[in-house]
Amino acid sequence: NAGVTQTPKFRVLKTGQSMTLLCAQDMNHEYMYWYRQDPGMGLRLIHYSVGEGTTAKGEVPDGYNVSRLKKQNFLLGLESAAPSQTSVYFCASSNDRNDRGREEKLFFGSGTQLSVL
Amino acid sequence: RKEVEQDPGPFNVPEGATVAFNCTYSNSASQSFFWYRQDCRKEPKLLMSVYSSGNEDGRFTAQLNRASQYISLLIRDSKLSDSATYLCVVKGRSDSWGKLQFGAGTQVVVTP
Repeated sequence: NAGVTQTPKFRVLKTGQSMTLLCAQDMNHEYMYWYRQDPGMGLRLIHYSVGEGTTAKGEVPDGYNVSRLKKQNFLLGLESAAPSQTSVYFCASSNDRNDRGREEKLFFGSGTQLSVL
Repeated sequence: RKEVEQDPGPFNVPEGATVAFNCTYSNSASQSFFWYRQDCRKEPKLLMSVYSSGNEDGRFTAQLNRASQYISLLIRDSKLSDSATYLCVVKGRSDSWGKLQFGAGTQVVVTP
């Protein structure tokens, strides 16, 4: 199994350009997440989804949109990129809770390094 | 104030030594606690879940102190491969999907 796959791995945009980051998971997970990671800060949640066709805002949703049309895919869109969106983006998925009621771990993709000039 | 705070380090540790560091959290209602490991420019990976009784996995021991609102990670007999950033992760109620709070990480550098 590939796990969680993110594309692209690197991208440079000019201010105002748009792009879509794709996240795909093959573990049949219900929950999917988009995070951004900036130096000196923890991962911050942008948007998340608790199932196909559902999305919800996280901690820092402004300037981003998401869609979960298929259970295995979670897309993150930047409609008009800004320099403040320069960051490393991680997608993750999980099933939240296992059979014993214990928290399930997050599986992360390998990240996307995005620079906005 | 950040919800999850960690000493950024770096903690420089001689190979074979023991290193320990804490993570404090502000939400007293937090229910689940984890340590993730992140290698440079790579994705985080779960190292350990932290249970109320404390738990051990090989050379790694995690403890939870609810009264003082912190969790700790201890690494014994440090290996060069333990060099990484360790992320503290805290979650609120069991139904709070997406409510994981990440610390900024503690960097550990194990030297020969």
